[in-house]
This record gives sequence, structure tokens and C-alpha cells, in this order.
Amino acid sequence: SQKIEQNSEALNIQEGKTATLTCNYTNYSPAYLQWYRQDPGRGPVFLLLIRENEKEKRKERLKVTFDTTLKQSLFHITASQPADSATYLCALVDSSNTGKLIFGQGTTLQVKP
Amino acid sequence: DTGVSQNPRHKITKRGQNVTFRCDPISEHNRLYWYRQTLGQGPEFLTYFQNEAQLEKSRLLSDRFSAERPKGSFSTLEIQRTEQGDSAMYLCASIKQGQQDGYTFGSGTRLTVV
Repeated sequence: SQKIEQNSEALNIQEGKTATLTCNYTNYSPAYLQWYRQDPGRGPVFLLLIRENEKEKRKERLKVTFDTTLKQSLFHITASQPADSATYLCALVDSSNTGKLIFGQGTTLQVKP
Repeated sequence: DTGVSQNPRHKITKRGQNVTFRCDPISEHNRLYWYRQTLGQGPEFLTYFQNEAQLEKSRLLSDRFSAERPKGSFSTLEIQRTEQGDSAMYLCASIKQGQQDGYTFGSGTRLTVV
């Protein structure tokens, strides 16, 4: 079955540094992969989508890469700020035609001032 | 449109009671999804609707759970005879079919069964 894994350990970095989060998937070749941000007690908020034919996607201080050979996506936040502290979720769309998302367990990022 | 709305935000109930949650999706989104999320985990798929038709249910969805989407608009998720293991955040998301874009999630309903 399709599976996504993210670093389960929290990531603690200093303000201004680049945060890099990893997402690995198995048993599937998704057409695209998505990243979401989730704050405590709130629903996920969509950040970026990257398609299988795209190596890299950028949006302001965010950058996502997609390596279909390694079956891995990396999510970077440059010049990180304390306001970036949250849990980041990687998701792929199920191979059936339902459009349902399969999520990783999320990585919690803590940016210290 | 103000996004996906879920009510209530929080629900505390005694074991054995029935609860019902409501989701109002973005009006032009014909697909609506329910997910369940427990602490430290990502959301897990429960069920989805395309318009008013419920097209798939996860094996996580026991027969105590039922969902409806009358007229393809808002949706309700009911849990009968709640158990402590039902305590979780219940999330609703919507999207327009065929749209390759992010899904819009509601803020969720936090259920605590005591």
C-alpha cells in the first residue's frame, strides 16, 4: 500500500537559518505531491504543489523539490522566522480516482529567535 | 466565500452518546472529504462525497459512523455510541473535481469522549 514517511523528530533551528524537511514515499508514483502547514488546533493549510515533471517549485521563502527516482520530496524554508514554527505535512493523492490524500505524520518545526 | 466551515469547534461527550458534526464546503467544490487526526499523526481518510453521492468509505469507518451530504451541499458526520477511542480531530476538506490544486480544509471539530 502507498506510504509516506516524514521525520518524526521535531526540527529546532535558529531564526534566519534554512529549515529542510524530508518526505519519502513508497509503493507509488504520484502525479503530484503537496505540502501543508498545520498550526495547533487548526486544519492544514495548503502551501505548495509540485508535479512529477517538475524538479523544483518556489513560492516566496518556500522551495520544494521532487525526486521521483529517490521517491523523495524536500521542503525548504529560507530565512526562517519564529512565525514559521508549525507542523508541516506532506501529502500525495491516492492512486485511485477518489482524490483522497495520504498524509505523512508531519514534522514539527520550531524556529528560535 | 469564507472557506470551509466546521461546527462545532469542540465537543465533549460522555461515552455511549451520539454526536453529529457539520461541514460547509466551498460552494463550487463538488468533492468533500472527511479525515480523522489523532495527536502526532497526519490526517487519515474516512470518507468522501462527489456531489451528494458517498463514493468511498475507509475501513476505519465502523458501522457506528455515518455521513451524509444531502443535495450535495453541506455534510454531516454522525458517530453513534461514542467510545473513548473516537476522541480525535475530525477534519473536512473540499475541492472541485479535476482541479489539480491544494485542498481547502476546515478548522476541524475536536471531539473528546469522557
